[in-house]
Amino acid sequence: DAGVIQSPRHEVTEMGQEVTLRCKPISGHDYLFWYRQTMMRGLELLIYFNNNVPIDDSGMPEDRFSAKMPNASFSTLKIQPSEPRDSAVYFCASSSPQQGGGYTFGSGTRLTVV
Amino acid sequence: GDSVTQMEGPVTLSEEAFLTINCTYTATGYPSLFWYVQYPGEGLQLLLKATKADDKGSNKGFEATYRKETTSFHLEKGSVQVSDSAVYFCAFARMDSSYKLIFGSGTRLLVRP
Repeated sequence: DAGVIQSPRHEVTEMGQEVTLRCKPISGHDYLFWYRQTMMRGLELLIYFNNNVPIDDSGMPEDRFSAKMPNASFSTLKIQPSEPRDSAVYFCASSSPQQGGGYTFGSGTRLTVV
Repeated sequence: GDSVTQMEGPVTLSEEAFLTINCTYTATGYPSLFWYVQYPGEGLQLLLKATKADDKGSNKGFEATYRKETTSFHLEKGSVQVSDSAVYFCAFARMDSSYKLIFGSGTRLLVRP
């Protein structure tokens, strides 16, 4: 398996623009997680899905953030409108408790909002 | 509430020195415990795990033992290398329906030649 695949690897956008981050989880994993990592706040869980259904979105910072998982092999995290304080590395991870636990992380998307 | 406490970094060591990174957790029940490693510019990678009391997880010369009585999962390595320089995260997961990993804040390790 190719692992968890995120795109793009880097994104630079202007304040106010819409940003869409993409994630393809490992086939067979039924949990998908979106994290944000910054120097100030460390690793923050934004939202997670189980069998494509959002279970907990309490970490989503504002209404400007939204996430979808239309099928088992694809998820998006959208920020609209983007702001400079959204600059961070966004990670997607997937997991299956039936396979022993632990998450597999993607390589992340480094977002810079100028 | 649920939480993980790790020693603050950076931890700076010379090559071949002994490494300990302390980790304690607060959780209900009997969670599974994990150590993740993050190399510069990369995502987090699972380093090792333990799923029940007294289990020892090990990988790449790193070890950690699940200590239920002290709610700890300290990471150790007998002889570190420059290539071990990274950020190390301790985490636990309640193996119930929520199945969320709770992460510590991470400890940066710098190994000098």
